Amino acid sequence: QVTLRESGPALVKPTQTLTLTCTFSGFSLNTNDICVSWIRQPPGKALEWLARIDWDDDKYYSTSLKTRLTISKDTSKNQVVLTMTNMDPVDTATYYCARTRRGYSFGFVFDYWGQGALVTVSS
Amino acid sequence: SSELTQDPAVSVALGQTVRITCQGDSLRSYYATWYQQKPGQAPVLVIYAGNNRPSGIPDRFSVSNAGNTASLTITGAQAEDEADYYCNSRDSSGNQLVFGGGTKLTVL
Repeated sequence: QVTLRESGPALVKPTQTLTLTCTFSGFSLNTNDICVSWIRQPPGKALEWLARIDWDDDKYYSTSLKTRLTISKDTSKNQVVLTMTNMDPVDTATYYCARTRRGYSFGFVFDYWGQGALVTVSS
Repeated sequence: SSELTQDPAVSVALGQTVRITCQGDSLRSYYATWYQQKPGQAPVLVIYAGNNRPSGIPDRFSVSNAGNTASLTITGAQAEDEADYYCNSRDSSGNQLVFGGGTKLTVL
């Protein structure tokens, strides 16, 4: 059974750095074509893809947020960590991690999602 | 701004067929994947390239592609299909994953 769970602070102050952890089970990030992505959703707004880390440790970031994001993995702990620097109130959102499966015939699919973690940026 | 464009809202009568579209230049090269999100819940994968559906997704959901447009069709919409639907694909560079702005489906 595949599960993912996001954890981190519910409230951060402007200019602070956010660190979110995705703890997963039921799969390994050492498996070919398995990745983990971070996706966020501001209240009442659309989903936004943030970053992805692949089984081979390749990392990809949203162009618009690339300078503020870092993604890393600890396969021994089954965890993926996302840091976002210089937080602003517009970054208030629910942050999701999702298992991402790559296939040459279909590209990438987010086949399992965590429940999401609401992060509010406010002083 | 998103490189994938969706109509903000669509409605369908119960039991009728509805098509939700997603437009973008990258769709000429890459498949779209579709996600359903109900209020207060995480998104759920509904269908992806070649009409692949995860276990538990009914076969009334299907996809098609034409040029720069990907379409999600629900044949015989049910009340439980009322939700927001998001398309996702790669951007034109192929390195980024992008979402459409979402379509709110109302089943009347």
